[in-house]
Amino acid sequence: QSALTQPPSVSGSPGQSVTISCTGTSNDVGGYDRVSWYQQTPGAAPKLLIYDVTNRPSGVPDRFSGSKSGSTASLTVSGLQAEDDADYYCSSYTDRSTRYVFGTGTKVIVL
Amino acid sequence: EVQLVESGGDVVRPGRSLRLSCAASGFKFDNYAMHWVRQGPGKGLEWVSGMSWNGANIAYADSVRGRFTISRDNVKNSLYLQMNSLRPDDTALYYCVKVLTLVPGAFEIWGQGTLVTVSS
Repeated sequence: QSALTQPPSVSGSPGQSVTISCTGTSNDVGGYDRVSWYQQTPGAAPKLLIYDVTNRPSGVPDRFSGSKSGSTASLTVSGLQAEDDADYYCSSYTDRSTRYVFGTGTKVIVL
Repeated sequence: EVQLVESGGDVVRPGRSLRLSCAASGFKFDNYAMHWVRQGPGKGLEWVSGMSWNGANIAYADSVRGRFTISRDNVKNSLYLQMNSLRPDDTALYYCVKVLTLVPGAFEIWGQGTLVTVSS
């Protein structure tokens, strides 16, 4: 099971918006609404930002939003802040033998 | 406070075995599926294995199936990962993860991780 495809890095200035893509197949992202997004800062464990494509857990700012079209899911970070400088990973349920798969990861750089 | 504390990580030779443990507290452990996720040094996240609340449903990543065994003790509020035939590419920080209520695959709470190094 190959990892979901994400761009290695995206960048933006404070206040701007950035969007991270997460491309899979009909066996994972395209076939199920079980896509999640995670933020990881250096030395820390990942933090859940989005689940089931569009939902935010309690406490996650509404600057973070998720969407999906076909086999590509996206995470948008609006009103970019310095603290958003981190690595971001998507994950999806898959109907292949491996039950869940993560994306390759994207480094968000706040200029 | 919900907390997951992993232990058992070590430096081991290729081909050897290791057992990881995860002690859970602050929530009703036997209500939740639990997972193991790993991250190699400087690498991305990789889902390793998961188990339903009652142990009836178990799944493994292709990379570990047949070598790793997940288990849980709902009396001791603990999750385990028995790792056999370890390989250098199993070197990683292993996280114990609790899912969000009623949302399979939403990895909500993560431990701090335990480091496994496989090297000759």
